[in-house]
Amino acid sequence: AQSVTQLGSHVSVSEGALVLLRCNYSSSVPPYLFWYVQYPNQGLQLLLKYTTGATLVKGINGFEAEFKKSETSFHLTKPSAHMSDAAEYFCAVSEVNSGNTPLVFGKGTRLSVIA
Amino acid sequence: DTAVSQTPKYLVTQMGNDKSIKCEQNLGHDTMYWYKQDSKKFLKIMFSYNNKELIINETVPNRFSPKSPDKAHLNLHINSLELGDSAVYFCASSPSQLVLADTQYFGPGTRLTVL
Repeated sequence: AQSVTQLGSHVSVSEGALVLLRCNYSSSVPPYLFWYVQYPNQGLQLLLKYTTGATLVKGINGFEAEFKKSETSFHLTKPSAHMSDAAEYFCAVSEVNSGNTPLVFGKGTRLSVIA
Repeated sequence: DTAVSQTPKYLVTQMGNDKSIKCEQNLGHDTMYWYKQDSKKFLKIMFSYNNKELIINETVPNRFSPKSPDKAHLNLHINSLELGDSAVYFCASSPSQLVLADTQYFGPGTRLTVL
């Protein structure tokens, strides 16, 4: 069964600094990988996803993530943090051939951006 | 236009009461979900419906009963509410349960507080 580990429940960066949120997954078959963002008091929305093809995936708001099979990682980055990036970020995995197995979410990483 | 809507947004009730949360999506999706997000932000799937039929029923007390009158609606009824039911409940939808790479679209959430 697939699982997701997000390292660091809380990450704090200065405005303009690099954002790096870590995600490692466990899957017995090629996975589909997702990053969702949850702004305060809102539902989740998709930032980006990896299905097949290019391993560097670009998403909304300047975020990108790279699928590294050898490291079983899908870390999320953004070159320059903005105050509006403060939110909760969730990595999620879905397995190919998993039938009805749903998305499995990590425990989330709260990103704080300091002015 | 709201893609996935939930009502009510907030629900405060006493232990032992019965309550319902409604969800509607106007995206034409076949599959709808209920998730529970606990106080630590951990997201766990509860149920999934595809074209009004239950396809995922995770380990959830049978006090929780989902109902899908049509594929655009998925309601959640909770009997005999307990303190531990306090959480944020999210409805989501996706085009098809057969396409695991599909993005899930989330509603704004219903914050349930049981006193």
